[in-house]
Amino acid sequence: AQSVTQLGSHVSVSEGALVLLRCNYSSSVPPYLFWYVQYPNQGLQLLLKYTSAATLVKGINGFEAEFKKSETSFHLTKPSAHMSDAAEYFCAVGYGNNRLAFGKGNQVVVIP
Amino acid sequence: DTGVSQDPRHKITKRGQNVTFRCDPISEHNRLYWYRQTLGQGPEFLTYFQNEAQLEKSRLLSDRFSAERPKGSFSTLEIQRTEQGDSAMYLCASSLEGPSMPGKRDIQYFGAGTRLSVL
Repeated sequence: AQSVTQLGSHVSVSEGALVLLRCNYSSSVPPYLFWYVQYPNQGLQLLLKYTSAATLVKGINGFEAEFKKSETSFHLTKPSAHMSDAAEYFCAVGYGNNRLAFGKGNQVVVIP
Repeated sequence: DTGVSQDPRHKITKRGQNVTFRCDPISEHNRLYWYRQTLGQGPEFLTYFQNEAQLEKSRLLSDRFSAERPKGSFSTLEIQRTEQGDSAMYLCASSLEGPSMPGKRDIQYFGAGTRLSVL
């Protein structure tokens, strides 16, 4: 069974500082890994997706994530936080496209 | 691409009443998923359809829950005899499974959800 761990429900970051959100997964087979972002009163929007083509994945809005098989991690980063990055971020693992297992999410607060 | 739409956006009901939600997926998508999201948690998988066939149901989907996708297009999720524990955001997602759109497979596109409050 797949599962996802996201530590630290709330993450505060200063505007212009590095954003780092950690995600560790467990999967018995090579996984599909995703990061989604959710703004208030909106659905989830895909930030990026890993499917084994490349370990460093670039997504929208300047975000990227690196797949590290040895660490079973897929951490999300952005070099410089912007006020518009304030949202909730979810890491998810999927296999065969028949379901996604999500982490509990990180609520990102950007401090001016 | 009009996206996934869900109706209603908000539903308030009294305990014991039945409610039905609708999801319209992206038009060419053959897979449709339902998830439930409670406060402070990530979405949890409920069920999914390949065209009109319901292929998997989570143990979260009790006997009071039923989902249909009669013509392989829109889907409905019905909850009978609602309980306060059913209060949550119900999310619908759709995806395209097949070789016709390389690079876009396996991405689930989510609607804005239906927020259910059971009083």
